[in-house]
Amino acid sequence: DAKTTQPPSMDCAEGRAANLPCNHSTISGNEYVYWYRQIHSQGPQYIIHGLKNNETNEMASLIITEDRKSSTLILPHATLRDTAVYYCIVIDTGTASKLTFGTGTRLQVTL
Amino acid sequence: GAVVSQHPSRVICKSGTSVKIECRSLDFQATTMFWYRQFPKKSLMLMATSNEGSKATYEQGVEKDKFLINHASLTLSTLTVTSAHPEDSSFYICSAVEFGQINEKLFFGSGTQLSVL
Repeated sequence: DAKTTQPPSMDCAEGRAANLPCNHSTISGNEYVYWYRQIHSQGPQYIIHGLKNNETNEMASLIITEDRKSSTLILPHATLRDTAVYYCIVIDTGTASKLTFGTGTRLQVTL
Repeated sequence: GAVVSQHPSRVICKSGTSVKIECRSLDFQATTMFWYRQFPKKSLMLMATSNEGSKATYEQGVEKDKFLINHASLTLSTLTVTSAHPEDSSFYICSAVEFGQINEKLFFGSGTQLSVL
């Protein structure tokens, strides 16, 4: 699986949009971009995933660049409960290959 | 959505005892499950890949005789920490892959906090 690079930490004011970047410059054509988040002492929670088109669900939006070498997770209106570590992972779902977690981005949402 | 149940959520044991952690996929069949461990403020580290009906594949540096994995059915995988020592204290997390869909999602259990005294 391709490796990813994320900033170690970010701050965001409550109510504002949180934009979390991820670089995955070695991503291959079969690999999807997945985002998970982990709140302290809990298992990771699935947020969203995509291949090459932008995606949106009830939790977030995922913007993938045309060359697929980077992506941005957008939480449109961050709340205090969104404070967590966010992991960007690339996966070849066709082979159900193991997930390799990077260090993630620790998002702190403040009042 | 699919749910992965992990039990127990927290366990405290004496050094030298064995601890079993269960991971169940509640409403889907998981031919593959993964086991991770996580130290405080660190990322998840993959320990092993568990395949139903076959031996688990362990990552480099993980002792297979210490961390016994059994995946006897399509909905259950267990991790047994044998002869636990204080250095085995960690947060253990399982995950399961739901097959049969174009885009598989990987679902995670809620984790087990193991404290070895």
